[in-house]
Amino acid sequence: DAEITQSPRHKITETGRQVTLACHQTWNHNNMFWYRQDLGHGLRLIHYSYGVQDTNKGEVSDGYSVSRSNTEDLPLTLESAASSQTSVYFCASSGGELSGANVLTFGAGSRLTVL
Amino acid sequence: GQNIDQPTEMTATEGAIVQINCTYQTSGFNGLFWYQQHAGEAPTFLSYNVLDGLEEKGRFSSFLSRSKGYSYLLLKELQMKDSASYLCAVPDSNYQLIWGAGTKLIKKP
Repeated sequence: DAEITQSPRHKITETGRQVTLACHQTWNHNNMFWYRQDLGHGLRLIHYSYGVQDTNKGEVSDGYSVSRSNTEDLPLTLESAASSQTSVYFCASSGGELSGANVLTFGAGSRLTVL
Repeated sequence: GQNIDQPTEMTATEGAIVQINCTYQTSGFNGLFWYQQHAGEAPTFLSYNVLDGLEEKGRFSSFLSRSKGYSYLLLKELQMKDSASYLCAVPDSNYQLIWGAGTKLIKKP
């Protein structure tokens, strides 16, 4: 069965360290997204990609970067982790039009704690 | 700007009918999504409305009024497994989803 997997599921790191969260999907979807979810806030878009070599900034992209070298993977990198980046991170993908307004399939989430 | 409002929390008893409201403000309109999210899990798609009216899907129905900027999710015959957060989302002008903070539905013992 097709799936979307995130790793690690839980990570604790220190302020200033570089962290990479992996996202791998086998749906063959063109569209991939990274969101963060914090208490009291809706999901907020960090970065998104509509295909290989395409990346775009979302609402809360400062301090984050992504790269899309193949269809399956969209790793999210925190260049220098800050306590404000403690959150649950969700990767999602969708097929169809090159848009964020399609039905999204989410990964299980990665809980990141920055001390 | 874009804005979505949902109640933070609701409680209901097993077997009840529950209506979860969502109001939104967008510069254009390209549909409205409802997702369900159990605690500690990923959101999963429930429904999509683009035209006014009620869309029924088993025990779940979703209603949309574009003129009022209003939607609701209706859950019938509430079951224990329906205890979850329900997220409302609409696309912005860049066709990226803007999400409400979610409504946590708690089943009364």
